Amino acid sequence: DSGVTQTPKHLITATGQRVTLRCSPRSGDLSVYWYQQSLDQGLQFLIQYYNGEERAKGNILERFSAQQFPDLHSELNLSSLELGDSALYFCASSPIQGTFTGELFFGEGSRLTVL
Amino acid sequence: GDSVTQMEGPVTLSEEAFLTINCTYTATGYPSLFWYVQYPGEGLQLLLKATKADDKGSNKGFEATYRKETTSFHLEKGSVQVSDSAVYFCALSLHNYGQNFVFGPGTRLSVLP
Repeated sequence: DSGVTQTPKHLITATGQRVTLRCSPRSGDLSVYWYQQSLDQGLQFLIQYYNGEERAKGNILERFSAQQFPDLHSELNLSSLELGDSALYFCASSPIQGTFTGELFFGEGSRLTVL
Repeated sequence: GDSVTQMEGPVTLSEEAFLTINCTYTATGYPSLFWYVQYPGEGLQLLLKATKADDKGSNKGFEATYRKETTSFHLEKGSVQVSDSAVYFCALSLHNYGQNFVFGPGTRLSVLP
């Protein structure tokens, strides 16, 4: 158990809909990362938050947005869903204290299926 | 931009065989290098890491050496087990505060009894 909790584990929805994925980082971790893992594109970095502020942005579509709340949990919002958005979405957290050790702690992922 | 290249999978080996998964990188600075492993139905977890040239990371019988001259970080294990079946990701990170963590495409390993 990594200590990172993601909900829901599985989600099935229809095209055009909107969903919210939730992530609770490990206790004390200030930084949260979101990744998308699909069969054809591997693991794609979406966005990173540090202590409530956006720190880095990757290949995140304009239809997607995220935020990190004061209690450090994070939500990834996916809207106007398309079939191609079907993927496994991972959240990871890290302890940013001085020099970064390089270990990201990953949740078990939220599997999104868009029909 | 910064990138990581891994050998294409899937890789299928018999138990006790020697494993090598090649990884090379392109980076504008001096990255830290990592191998992560994803077991079926689970998230990724850190397998080993190296933060500077000539460092060797090791864990669970796996090893990888940071080779700056060849920009490589190949993963090796002398004798694989069925329980090593998983997807292996090579990754790099350039900044002390965790930005720009770049993963390779992953290599699926299947070990047969």
